[in-house]
Amino acid sequence: GAVVSQHPSWVICKSGTSVKIECRSLDFQATTMFWYRQFPKQSLMLMATSNEGSKATYEQGVEKDKFLINHASLTLSTLTVTSAHPEDSSFYICSARDWGDSNEKLFFGSGTQLSVL
Amino acid sequence: KQEVTQIPAALSVPEGENLVLNCSFTDSAIYNLQWFRQDPGKGLTSLLLIQSSQREQTSGRLNASLDKSSGRSTLYIAASQPGDSATYLCAAATDSWGKLQFGAGTQVVVTP
Repeated sequence: GAVVSQHPSWVICKSGTSVKIECRSLDFQATTMFWYRQFPKQSLMLMATSNEGSKATYEQGVEKDKFLINHASLTLSTLTVTSAHPEDSSFYICSARDWGDSNEKLFFGSGTQLSVL
Repeated sequence: KQEVTQIPAALSVPEGENLVLNCSFTDSAIYNLQWFRQDPGKGLTSLLLIQSSQREQTSGRLNASLDKSSGRSTLYIAASQPGDSATYLCAAATDSWGKLQFGAGTQVVVTP
């Protein structure tokens, strides 16, 4: 099946710094990728839809200037958490759909655990 | 807005028993319903996808049913094994692009 690679798996940073998370589709082209956030014992919450070559679409309540999304190629989307604070500590995960797969399944990255000190 | 609920939140069974995981959603206008498995600190693995026009899907020991009219889906895992221990998430697709609304998950522990 299709593979989505997400890096880094873990990141610890100081408050006020920025952190970039990469999401790559390894063997297929993904015109659309999704970014989710998951707090402990809670469900995944959609943050934004990343579209190749255009601006991302953010869900209500998600700060655009805080969570910068860039989808510059058909295989790479990045999420940058700017001026991170402890409340941004969470598990971030991306997903992508292989439009060539008739099963319409979504493939998820392995996630990034962000800890802001 | 679509809301997805999973009951129970946690479940512990001895090895060999069948598992029944429930998922309910408030808006029946779904594109599809998906079940995922999540291991601690890891990403999601897709288990089954049921199109809105389908009633069930099967893969090995897994069977998922869908009743749109009542807003319910059930995941059955036959003859559970310790390796089935994980959190199981259901998600309703609200459009054809892949936007998903997730439930909070059911944490399953299968004891040897």
